[in-house]
Amino acid sequence: ELKVEQNPLFLSMQEGKNYTIYCNYSTTSDRLYWYRQDPGKSLESLFVLLSNGAVKQEGRLMASLDTKARLSTLHITAAVHDLSATYFCAVANPSDSNYQLIWGAGTKLIIKP
Amino acid sequence: NAGVTQTPKFQVLKTGQSMTLQCAQDMNHEYMSWYRQDPGMGLRLIHYSVGAGITDQGEVPNGYNVSRSTTEDFPLRLLSAAPSQTSVYFCASKLGKNYGYTFGSGTRLTVV
Repeated sequence: ELKVEQNPLFLSMQEGKNYTIYCNYSTTSDRLYWYRQDPGKSLESLFVLLSNGAVKQEGRLMASLDTKARLSTLHITAAVHDLSATYFCAVANPSDSNYQLIWGAGTKLIIKP
Repeated sequence: NAGVTQTPKFQVLKTGQSMTLQCAQDMNHEYMSWYRQDPGMGLRLIHYSVGAGITDQGEVPNGYNVSRSTTEDFPLRLLSAAPSQTSVYFCASKLGKNYGYTFGSGTRLTVV
């Protein structure tokens, strides 16, 4: 059974600092997705990672995928307050031909001015 | 292009009542899914569809039914509401299995 773990689950940091959120998963998969959710809002797709070594960047966020280590990272560079949100990773279940997603519990990120 | 539209946004039900959560998308997406989100947990898949006329169960299907008569619409029916179904429900759609989901705005359901 595929399990997805994110850490940390809660992160409070200062503006201008760098930090990384980790997403580990238990069985082989080469499809991983990152989403952002603002409080009381819906989820917004950030990155789609579809192969080993995939790296995607958007502004101050960069996501990477290492399928051999079963690990994805979401790196935040020089954080700004607007990046405060909950970040979810989701992994496509390799046992499901339709690649339905198994979700991590989310990382709540608070960036203080 | 409205994306994924969910109605209602808020609903309070009494135990035992039934209701339908509506979901419609105008992006011609084949894949549609219903998730529930509970505090401190990730999303859990209730039911999904990979095209009109095709539906399948997710990890928490009990107490819910779905149908997909058209590409655009994917309603979720609560058969007999229970307090354990208090949650935020999200409908999502995507073009194909390698794409990311586009989410609706969610329905906050309380069962008393």
